[in-house]
Amino acid sequence: GAGVSQSPSNKVTEKGKDVELRCDPISGHTALYWYRQRLGQGLEFLIYFQGNSAPDKSGLPSDRFSAERTGESVSTLTIQRTQQEDSAVYLCASSRSGTNYNEQFFGPGTRLTVL
Amino acid sequence: GQNIDQPTEMTATEGAIVQINCTYQTSGFNGLFWYQQHAGEAPTFLSYNVLDGLEEKGRFSSFLSRSKGYSYLLLKELQMKDSASYLCAVRDEGNTPLVFGKGTRLSVIA
Repeated sequence: GAGVSQSPSNKVTEKGKDVELRCDPISGHTALYWYRQRLGQGLEFLIYFQGNSAPDKSGLPSDRFSAERTGESVSTLTIQRTQQEDSAVYLCASSRSGTNYNEQFFGPGTRLTVL
Repeated sequence: GQNIDQPTEMTATEGAIVQINCTYQTSGFNGLFWYQQHAGEAPTFLSYNVLDGLEEKGRFSSFLSRSKGYSYLLLKELQMKDSASYLCAVRDEGNTPLVFGKGTRLSVIA
């Protein structure tokens, strides 16, 4: 595809359920990022994958959050036992590499609502 | 710690010029980015500065002063479609992820 794609575009779930969000980066992009954006707030970094290196998980807010990436392709962000505070738009971005000037291209996001 | 500050909201008139300021305090510095985000859409890249000075790209320009920890985004000949949030983001070192400010919501009025 031409850009970063994410699915689903919207997800409504009940408190306590697990959710899985998917990101397809631009082909050839070695770096992949997950961010969270709460209503009216800036982007909050969650996790970063760069090639085959160990991911940078320093932004994950709790152990309920985890993410995986298969090689340099699809990534999934999993939130276990969702809480209402997890409601936000989850944005995925990719770039050619993680070094210096490399524009991050964002996907359209997944809007998660936890009831 | 890391801190990115920008005004929450601004209003400007169609055809005018507006300057959106951003100040940052980060442990290191390896580039400053500006993104535009329309309501309900993903952020899109506008500009990148790593050296002091002004980068011009059409109606948009971005300025950086590393010694002052300061940047601004200048939008000229404002159009209604420029109504959006403008996000300032800093990469503090190497290839680390960007640290974003909360964004400035710009409203362009007739």
